[in-house]
Amino acid sequence: GDSVTQMEGPVTLSEEACLTINCTYTATGYPSLFWYVQYPGEGLQLLLKATKADDKGSNKGFEATYRKETTSFHLEKGSVQVSDSAVYFCALPDNAGGTSYGKLTFGQGTILTVHP
Amino acid sequence: IAGITQAPTSQILAAGRRMTLRCTQDMRHNAMYWYRQDLGLGLRLIHYSNTAGTTGKGEVPDGYSVSRANTDDFPLTLASAVPSQTSVYFCASSVTVNTEAFFGQGTRLTVV
Repeated sequence: GDSVTQMEGPVTLSEEACLTINCTYTATGYPSLFWYVQYPGEGLQLLLKATKADDKGSNKGFEATYRKETTSFHLEKGSVQVSDSAVYFCALPDNAGGTSYGKLTFGQGTILTVHP
Repeated sequence: IAGITQAPTSQILAAGRRMTLRCTQDMRHNAMYWYRQDLGLGLRLIHYSNTAGTTGKGEVPDGYSVSRANTDDFPLTLASAVPSQTSVYFCASSVTVNTEAFFGQGTRLTVV
């Protein structure tokens, strides 16, 4: 079945450092791809998405490009802030195009801690 | 603000007791889901519902049941709670296939 492999964490950075969190996937067809963020004590929020190959999703300074050739969707930010400290999840809809109505398969999550 | 409401936000429950976690959405989404989140295991799907009146089993359905009597509500019931069901439970919804899901704030359940 479809799967997501996410960079093992945790990741600790200083403020203004560059961030990359790797995500690769295995899927039938070309599903949409998502990054979710979970701040401490909260639910998951959609951070960004890409719906087709070569699309770039972006939000809050974060970017990720849908790479069909490498089946990857790496999350990047050029300068992280303390407020970016959270858990980040890569995800894709399972069996997209079938009858599963988009239930998501998640990566394991990457804990990001940013120090001042 | 439109979205998903879960209740209660937290609960301590004695083993063997019955418990229903409530989930309501006002976005008129067709599909709804229940996930549990455990440290080191990420999110795992418990049950899902494609439309009102239908439900399906996810990755870890044992010990849980759901119903979908209408579009807005998707309660999750633990018939006889066990300590291994201690977890954070998230309800989510999506418009249709291949679209993003929206999540509630979660219910932290401790079974003792």
